[in-house]
Amino acid sequence: AQSVAQPEDQVNVAEGNPLTVKCTYSVSGNPYLFWYVQYPNRGLQFLLKYITGDNLVKGSYGFEAEFNKSQTSFHLKKPSALVSDSALYFCAVRDYGGSQGNLIFGKGTKLSVKP
Amino acid sequence: DVKVTQSSRYLVKRTGEKVFLECVQDMDHENMFWYRQDPGLGLRLIYFSYDVKMKEKGDIPEGYSVSREKKERFSLILESASTNQTSMYLCASSFLVSTDTQYFGPGTRLTVL
Repeated sequence: AQSVAQPEDQVNVAEGNPLTVKCTYSVSGNPYLFWYVQYPNRGLQFLLKYITGDNLVKGSYGFEAEFNKSQTSFHLKKPSALVSDSALYFCAVRDYGGSQGNLIFGKGTKLSVKP
Repeated sequence: DVKVTQSSRYLVKRTGEKVFLECVQDMDHENMFWYRQDPGLGLRLIYFSYDVKMKEKGDIPEGYSVSREKKERFSLILESASTNQTSMYLCASSFLVSTDTQYFGPGTRLTVL
């Protein structure tokens, strides 16, 4: 069965420090992977996706993610965290069991960046 | 910019009421989705549609129905609202390709009393 896991419910980082939000996946086909961010009482905003090619994917707001096939991971990173990055982050993987376009989402990781 | 709009940001209903949540997208997307989001459970797919008048059940369709009469509009219907349907409801849309990005609306926070 396909699945995606975000092992940390919460990540705390000091402003200016690098941040990593972890994601691991399990799929039956090519892994199409996505990261979304959700600010309080808002919908999800697309950050970046990996489909094929370079393992390092760059996205919005200075975020990037590294695809690692051997470790089945797709961790979200940013070199220098901002207080405004505090939000809920979701990793998602293409669902091969459903129709085209369906995604399976992780449970989310709350990122807290302190000044 | 892709725009997905939802009819209400906040909604309060009583148990047993019929509730309609509407979603409209302006990008001519084939796919549309309804999710509910609950703390600690992430996003769970209720229903999706890949074409007008077509619908497919997601992971948690019980207690819900949907309607897609026009390509740009996808409605979620709670036939008889119950307190356990209190949640944040998110609509999304995408093109009908496996690599496409889903774009989300702002969400409707529904409270059933």
